[in-house]
Parts: sequence; C-alpha cells; structure tokens
Amino acid sequence: DIVMTQSPDSLAVSLGERATINCKSSQSVFYSSNNKNHLAWYQQKPGQPPKLLIYWASTRESGVPDRFSGSGSGTDFTLTISSLQAEDVAVYYCQQYYGPPMTFGQGTKVDIK
Amino acid sequence: QVQLVESGGGVVQPGRSLRLSCAASGFTFGNYGMHWVRQAPGKGLEWVAVMSYDGSDKYYADSVKGRFTISRDNSKNTLYLQMNSLRAEDTAVYYCAKPYGSESYYLPLDVWGQGTTVTVSS
Repeated sequence: DIVMTQSPDSLAVSLGERATINCKSSQSVFYSSNNKNHLAWYQQKPGQPPKLLIYWASTRESGVPDRFSGSGSGTDFTLTISSLQAEDVAVYYCQQYYGPPMTFGQGTKVDIK
Repeated sequence: QVQLVESGGGVVQPGRSLRLSCAASGFTFGNYGMHWVRQAPGKGLEWVAVMSYDGSDKYYADSVKGRFTISRDNSKNTLYLQMNSLRAEDTAVYYCAKPYGSESYYLPLDVWGQGTTVTVSS
C-alpha cells in the first residue's frame, strides 16, 4: 500500500499569512499513461464531510478560492493557502488515487495564530 | 442537485452485523463506481471499499476484508455496505462518496454524504 505522510501535523498562521502543508507518498503517484499525478487535497471542517479542493496535484475544484493551490510531482506535494482566512480553519488531507487501496495522509490541522 | 444520503448506522455489540445504505440522487448512479470511507472518532480518513459501476469489480481495505461486503442496486440508486463480525475498532462515521468522473472509480471523490455513525460496543 502507498503510505501518505503529511507535515506538519498542525500549524497556526496569522490571518492573511501563508500556510503550507506538505505531503509525501511512499512511492510515486505519477501515472505515465496519462502524465498526471494521482494526488488530491481535501478540507474537512468539524462535523462536516471532507470537501475536495485540489486534484491531479494542482487542479483546483470548481468554486474553490484561488488562494488554495497545489504543487509537486512524483512523491512530494504541497498545498498552499496564500492568504489565510478565518473560514480556512480546518483539517486538510492529501489522498492518492493511484490504485487500490486509496490512502489518505493523517491530516494537518490549520488554526489561526 | 447531486446528493448522497447514508443510513443504517447505530449501536451494535461486537460480533454482530449491520447494513449501511447510501441513497444517491441528482446524477446517473449506474454510471459511477462508488466508495465507502470511514472516520473513527477524532481520527483521520480511512478508505474502506469501492465497487465498479456495474458491480463487477470490488476492492476492500485489508482491515475489513472478509468481514465487509459492498454491493449496489442500480435500479434503486443505492449503495450498500454489509458489515459482519463487527469490532470496536470499526466504530466510525461511514461516508459514501462519488468519484468526479465515470471513466474510472480511482478518481478524486467530489461528492460525499453527511455520514452515518456506527458504534460497536457491548
């Protein structure tokens, strides 16, 4: 199974500042047949189901604010919130969908400093 | 609008069984592979199982293999999860989720239900 490891486990950022979350996979999730990284990011607020933010490592889901961006390839990926807003307080998960089983990172909790 | 509604959760004793349902609406259910994902209290997300659009393919997490069975009834737009030999560690919120495309079930999950809570306790 592909193991997804996120860092840090939690971070606190001032409003308007940048938040950066890292995700490392135990093997590459780049699929050469479609030239894409099979990596997604989700946001989960308390009491709610996860919400898809980013897929193919860097494609923003419709309706997601452009302060959210994803980057990386192969085994190393990053989710960046360019200017943290109060409504961004949540837990963020990376997920690989390269193959069965799908696996998630352990989550990164983002708070306001 | 696209919607998934889970039901069937509850409190059950260890070793007993429970069947979860997920009613889909707002999209052509029979064209999509569908997933179950769970989240233990205060913990992260754990993928549980997937079934292809026509039921011909199924995959399970090792933690539930041999105990859980995923199935679907496309005529009723409903996904199921039969859970047998339940253990305390199966206590979680169970979500059904839809992939964002129909060309594969190994795609990001763009629609999630609100979840149904399963508590395994004596």
